[in-house]
Amino acid sequence: AQSVTQLDSQVPVFEEAPVELRCNYSSSVSVYLFWYVQYPNQGLQLLLKYLSGSTLVKGINGFEAEFNKSQTSFHLRKPSVHISDTAEYFCAVSVGGPSGTYKYIFGTGTRLKVLA
Amino acid sequence: NAGVTQTPKFRILKIGQSMTLQCTQDMNHNYMYWYRQDPGMGLKLIYYSVGAGITDKGEVPNGYNVSRSTTEDFPLRLELAAPSQTSVYFCASSYRDNYQPQHFGDGTRLSIL
Repeated sequence: AQSVTQLDSQVPVFEEAPVELRCNYSSSVSVYLFWYVQYPNQGLQLLLKYLSGSTLVKGINGFEAEFNKSQTSFHLRKPSVHISDTAEYFCAVSVGGPSGTYKYIFGTGTRLKVLA
Repeated sequence: NAGVTQTPKFRILKIGQSMTLQCTQDMNHNYMYWYRQDPGMGLKLIYYSVGAGITDKGEVPNGYNVSRSTTEDFPLRLELAAPSQTSVYFCASSYRDNYQPQHFGDGTRLSIL
């Protein structure tokens, strides 16, 4: 069965430090990969997505992610975080199934806390 | 642009009461979804719809019902509220179910007491 694993439930980091949020998925077929951000009391917003092509994907707010097919990973990175990046981050995959339908699977989320 | 709008934003219900969570989108998206979010559990799919008149169950449909009479609206009904249904509910929509991202509303925070 397909699944998405975000190993870190919480990640504290000091302002202006780099951060990496980890995401691994399991699937025997091709997938589309996404990162979403959720600010307090809001819904999820798309940060970036990988469909095909270059394995390094750039998103909004200075975030980027790298698709690694051999390690089935899609880790999110930012070289220098700001207080305003404090939020919950969700990794998601869209997996193709029989009859052309797709299934969207979310990870359990990583809470990024940026410290002053 | 309004995007996906959910009402109400907050609600407290007594056990056994019923209510409808409203969701409307103005992007002419075919696909619509209802999720519940519990702390540390991520998002669980309750129901989804691939177009007007077509709905299907997700992972956790028990205790809920939906309808999709128009492209824009996708209400979620709780018939007999139970404490286990205390959660934050999100509605989302997308043009397709493949590589298209989902667009989310701001959620309804529901407490069952």
